[in-house]
Amino acid sequence: KNEVEQSPQNLTAQEGEFITINCSYSVGISALHWLQQHPGGGIVSLFMLSSGKKKHGRLIATINIQEKHSSLHITASHPRDSAVYICAVRAAGNKLTFGGGTRVLVKP
Amino acid sequence: KAGVTQTPRYLIKTRGQQVTLSCSPISGHRSVSWYQQTPGQGLQFLFEYFSETQRNKGNFPGRFSGRQFSNSRSEMNVSTLELGDSALYLCASSLEGGVSYNEQFFGPGTRLTVL
Repeated sequence: KNEVEQSPQNLTAQEGEFITINCSYSVGISALHWLQQHPGGGIVSLFMLSSGKKKHGRLIATINIQEKHSSLHITASHPRDSAVYICAVRAAGNKLTFGGGTRVLVKP
Repeated sequence: KAGVTQTPRYLIKTRGQQVTLSCSPISGHRSVSWYQQTPGQGLQFLFEYFSETQRNKGNFPGRFSGRQFSNSRSEMNVSTLELGDSALYLCASSLEGGVSYNEQFFGPGTRLTVL
């Protein structure tokens, strides 16, 4: 079993829909990161969380440390949100361990 | 501020050769981490350097090595290349190494193809 599991693996939404991506992990962590990767490879760090909730524009990230679970929400989705979203946890040894990613396609 | 830069952006090598990739962090950042991304394994941590010292290492063979210079620029080297080393190699910099709450800024990556 992977230390970091994401669901779903793929997601297609219509423009304007609310999107949720889930991340579950099995180890104790000090921080969780949500990353966005566009075609071509560039990665952008969206959020870094150790507790609670963070919001940036139309993006909201939450984490429940007790349940070892985090969610990334995209409100009012737009075609430019089409990308791969990756969850990563910072655990023992301070290394980042990554989930498999969720490929999101938002259709106009 | 300029972002993280990586050179070269694309590289084609043959099996058995060795390769050196370079990463220049954001000015003022002292920590550089390297990652490998492949379709099969996804993103995997290679190593982290802070103040010219390797602080963390992932589960990769000794053919993968790196170093960091006094100006925080980092290089990674892969010797005796194998077909399976074909991947996107990403580096990321952050202000301080070994601290939980530091955001990482990623470079555009170097796409290595081994023939």
